[in-house]
Amino acid sequence: AQRVTQPEKLLSVFKGAPVELKCNYSYSGSPELFWYVQYSRQRLQLLLRHISRESIKGFTADLNKGETSFHLKKPFAQEEDSAMYYCALSGSGAGSYQLTFGKGTKLSVIP
Amino acid sequence: KAGVTQTPRYLIKTRGQQVTLSCSPISGHRSVSWYQQTPGQGLQFLFEYFSETQRNKGNFPGRFSGRQFSNSRSEMNVSTLELGDSALYLCASSLAAGNTIYFGEGSWLTVV
Repeated sequence: AQRVTQPEKLLSVFKGAPVELKCNYSYSGSPELFWYVQYSRQRLQLLLRHISRESIKGFTADLNKGETSFHLKKPFAQEEDSAMYYCALSGSGAGSYQLTFGKGTKLSVIP
Repeated sequence: KAGVTQTPRYLIKTRGQQVTLSCSPISGHRSVSWYQQTPGQGLQFLFEYFSETQRNKGNFPGRFSGRQFSNSRSEMNVSTLELGDSALYLCASSLAAGNTIYFGEGSWLTVV
């Protein structure tokens, strides 16, 4: 069974401090990992996916297959980063495309 | 381009009733999936459709069903509503498997 674990429900950091949102997964196979973000009163939107290896809004995430982790990092937090962050894993069986989400971490950036 | 559109946005139903939620995917997207979001369980996959065929189903009782039309629009239905069905129901669409999934704003269902 596939599972995504985000150990922190809430993470508070000061503006300018580094941010690391943790994500661990369980999946038998080659996973595809994502980070989704939900800003206040906005829809869930893709922040980044591991295969693209992009840096979006200063965030990066590296897939560590040995530790089965996909932690989200940003060197200097901004107030506008305050949001709910969800780590997700794709379960691509028989050509379908579904996401298994973690419970989410609420990031609060303190001015 | 227009995003994923869900209707209605808010609704209140009584236990035992049924409800139908509608989703219009982004133009050209053929894959539509549904998720239930609750404070306790978080985001849970309900089912996914591609070209009118259900390709995958999550671990939900048979009261939860869905369908997709030839224009890729999708509906989900919940029969014999229970209090625990109160949730935000999210629809998402993508061009195909492996492409970015885009979410709608959701339909807030309250069962009383």
